[in-house]
Amino acid sequence: AQKVTQAQTEISVVEKEDVTLDCVYETRDTTYYLFWYKQPPSGELVFLIRRNSFDEQNEISGRYSWNFQKSTSSFNFTITASQVVDSAVYFCALSGVLILTGGGNKLTFGTGTQLKVEL
Amino acid sequence: GAGVSQSPSNKVTEKGKDVELRCDPISGHTALYWYRQSLGQGLEFLIYFQGNSAPDKSGLPSDRFSAERTGGSVSTLTIQRTQQEDSAVYLCASSLRGGEPYFGPGTRLLVL
Repeated sequence: AQKVTQAQTEISVVEKEDVTLDCVYETRDTTYYLFWYKQPPSGELVFLIRRNSFDEQNEISGRYSWNFQKSTSSFNFTITASQVVDSAVYFCALSGVLILTGGGNKLTFGTGTQLKVEL
Repeated sequence: GAGVSQSPSNKVTEKGKDVELRCDPISGHTALYWYRQSLGQGLEFLIYFQGNSAPDKSGLPSDRFSAERTGGSVSTLTIQRTQQEDSAVYLCASSLRGGEPYFGPGTRLLVL
C-alpha cells in the first residue's frame, strides 16, 4: 500500500522568511512519481511539480525548490522569501506504476500542510 | 487555454435524491479522473478513464456511485440515493497520457 505523510498540519511564518514543507512517503513500487499541489483559498488544486523516482536531482523554480531524497523517502518543498500570496494548503502526492490500462497517475495524497504567511 | 471545468459549482440536495456532476476536461487530454475531498477523508481517488480502455473504478466507495465518459471527453459522475456522508467537494482532473493531472475547481455537494 502507498502512503504519504505530511506531519506539519499548519505552519505560520512572517513574510520573507524561508519555509520548508515536509513530505515522507511509503511505497513498494520501484518506479513511482511524486507531486506537489497548491490549494489556495479559492479551492482549486494547482499543479506545482512532478518528479519520477529515478531522478533525484533537486529542482528550483523561482522561489520554489524541491529536495528529493530516496534514502529517507522524502520529497520536501522549500519556499524562499515567502509572500502572503503563498498562503495556501500544500499537498504532497504519490503515484505508483502507471495504471496498466492506460498510463494514468492514480494519486495518493497526504493530508496537506496549511501555510499562513503574515505581514 | 481553457482549464478543466466542472458544473455545477455548488449543489444542495436532499438525502435520498440522485445527483449528477459534470466535468469537461482540457481539450486533447485523454485521461480523466474523479477525486473527492472531504474533511474526514482528505483527498480520495474515485475513478479513472483513459481513452477507450475500461475505467479503473477501484476508488468508488459504493455501488451508489457511477461515472461515464461520453465520446472520450465530457464525464458525468452520478450519485444515487445520496447520503449525508456523500457531502464533499468532488474534483475532476485530466491529463495527457502519462502526464500530470490538472484539476478543475470542483463541485461542492451538500446533502441535507
